[in-house]
Amino acid sequence: DTAVSQTPKYLVTQMGNDKSIKCEQNLGHDTMYWYKQDSKKFLKIMFSYNNKELIINETVPNRFSPKSPDKAHLNLHINSLELGDSAVYFCASSQGGRGRFDEQYFGPGTRLTVT
Amino acid sequence: RKEVEQDPGPFNVPEGATVAFNCTYSNSASQSFFWYRQDCRKEPKLLMSVYSSGNEDGRFTAQLNRASQYISLLIRDSKLSDSATYLCVVNEAGRRALTFGSGTRLQVQP
Repeated sequence: DTAVSQTPKYLVTQMGNDKSIKCEQNLGHDTMYWYKQDSKKFLKIMFSYNNKELIINETVPNRFSPKSPDKAHLNLHINSLELGDSAVYFCASSQGGRGRFDEQYFGPGTRLTVT
Repeated sequence: RKEVEQDPGPFNVPEGATVAFNCTYSNSASQSFFWYRQDCRKEPKLLMSVYSSGNEDGRFTAQLNRASQYISLLIRDSKLSDSATYLCVVNEAGRRALTFGSGTRLQVQP
C-alpha cells in the first residue's frame, strides 16, 4: 500500500545516455512534484504539476522533461545525462487546490549516478 | 543569501537531553512553515507544521517568529531514534512548492 512510489530506486548510467524515472501516487492527490537532492543534501524543487498541468518549472536545463499522463503519475525524462546530474531525485505529492498548501508526501527517491 | 538557513550541525547530544534547532528564512511572503525529518538515505517526512501561536506534539515544540523571520524546534528528552537530519521548510504564498533548508543533523548518543 505504498503511497508514493518511484522506479527505479537506483540508476547507474554513462554520460550522454537518456533515462527516465517513473513516479506514481495512490493517494488521490492533485499535485505532484520532482525535487533534486544534491551531494550536499540540499533539496530543491524542479517541477510541479497540478491535475496534469505544469505549474512550476524552476531553472532546470531543458534536458529534463517531466510528463504527466494522468494526475496519479509524473515521470521525469532526462536527455544527454551529465556528471552533474548525479543526485537523488524525489517525487512528491500533495492534496489541495490553488490557495491551499498541504503536507507533501515523498517517494523513496531514485539515486542516479552518472559515470 | 540562502532562502532558508540552518546550522548544519552535527549536534551530538546524550539521551535525555533537550536540544534546540533554529532556522531563518529570507522571504517575508512565506506563508506556511514546517519541520521535516530525513533519516539517512530515506525520504523526508513531515514532523510537524509550525503555527504562529507555537505548537507542541509530545516531546517536540515548534515556534515561529514572523517579525524576525525565525523558526525553532525544541526536542525534549532526546531518544536514540531521534537521530536524523531535521529540515526547516517554508512555503511562499501562492507558490505550490516547498523551499528547504539544508538541514541540521542530530546524533543522540547512549
